[in-house]
Order: sequence, then C-alpha cells, then structure tokens
Amino acid sequence: EVQMVESGGALVQPGGSLRLSCATSGFTFRKYTMDWVRQAPGKGLEWVSYISGDGTSIEYADSVKGRFTISRDNAENSLFLEMNSLRAEDTAVYYCARVKTVPIGSFDFWGQGTLVTVSS
Amino acid sequence: DIVMTQSPDSLAVSLGERATISCKSSQSVFYSSNAKDYLAWYQQRPGHPPKLLIHWASMREPGVPDRFSGSGSGTDFTLTITTLQAEDVAVYYCQQYSSSRPTFGQGTKVELK
Repeated sequence: EVQMVESGGALVQPGGSLRLSCATSGFTFRKYTMDWVRQAPGKGLEWVSYISGDGTSIEYADSVKGRFTISRDNAENSLFLEMNSLRAEDTAVYYCARVKTVPIGSFDFWGQGTLVTVSS
Repeated sequence: DIVMTQSPDSLAVSLGERATISCKSSQSVFYSSNAKDYLAWYQQRPGHPPKLLIHWASMREPGVPDRFSGSGSGTDFTLTITTLQAEDVAVYYCQQYSSSRPTFGQGTKVELK
C-alpha cells in the first residue's frame, strides 16, 4: 500500500525558514518523480516544485523560485522542501504528490498534507 | 504557464441528477506524438487531499465509479457525473500536465440541491 506522510509544518514568522519532509513507503520511490503542491486556506491548488526520480531534473513555480529548494533521499524514500524567506502568502497546506507516469503525468497519490502558517 | 479555467465555480445538483463541469486551457494540451491529452481531474472532499479521478482526459483511475467520465480534447474538456450521489459533494479540479509546470483550474464546488 502506498503511503506518503508529510511533516515539518509549523507557525513561523515572516522571513523565517522551515524544512518539510515527506516519508514514503509501499512503492519504489527512486523510480518516481515527486512534486510539492500547496493549498492556501479556502483556496485552490497551486503546484510548487518537482524533482525527478534521480534528482537531476528540478523545477519551481515562479512564486517560490530562489526561496525554496526541493530535494530527495532515495535511500530513505523521503522527499524534502527547504523553505526560506517565508512570506504570509506562503501560508498553506503543503502536499507531497507522486507523479503517475514518467517523465510527466498526473498525481496519483497524495499525502495528507502539513500546514505552514507564516505570521508574526 | 498554461491557464486552466473551469466553469461554473459552483453547481447545485439533486441526488440522482447529472453534474457537468467544463475546463478550458489557454493552449492545447494535446500531444500528437502519442495522441494523448495531458489533462487530469481530481476530487477533493472537505478536509482531505485531492484524489485522482481521471487522467489522459478520459481514463478513469482504478476504483473510480463509472458514473464519473471525462471527455474533450485540445483545449476544451468536460467532467460528467451521472446520477450524483451524496458522497460526490466535493470540489473538483482539472489540471494540465503537458508542461513541466503543471497548473490547476480554480475548482468547481458541487453541492446538493
């Protein structure tokens, strides 16, 4: 059974930093591109970033480029999102999502999400 | 980035009736090389993460009831729910994945009339 569990969400002040993690199990993690998608309270879905299975291909949304860094540890079956210079508009539930097909595809499995709140 | 626009923003449907949601993309998401439309539909119930219903515009995920169907190609797509059930009350999103920067529609809220 595929399982994906995010952690690391917290209340942080503007300008602060946070590191999100997504622990996975039940599939061959290194074979899949993984993404982060966020959802501000009461709002829609916004794609944040992706990383290919081997970690060599990475892309970011313009809204987070230069501030967020995606990475993965295939030995630990884990995905990460390092978030710096956080702004109020980064407040959201952050989901990790698995890409169904290589190299690009829909998101067939999602974690339950972790809440990041940026506020003073 | 490709802009995805859904209509309507909300929809009230009686139990057992049909719900139809439209999704339009600002540019084609069809790839002639493999004859596929890079378009997915998700369902999000309150307090839950999104759930993939349909990919490649019309292919249902395993376990998704056949009352859900997707159609369309190029820039115009439709999600149809025939015979709405109470558990179908949710927000539905379309998403394009034809580019390396996927984008979602703004969502359509389906409620019971």
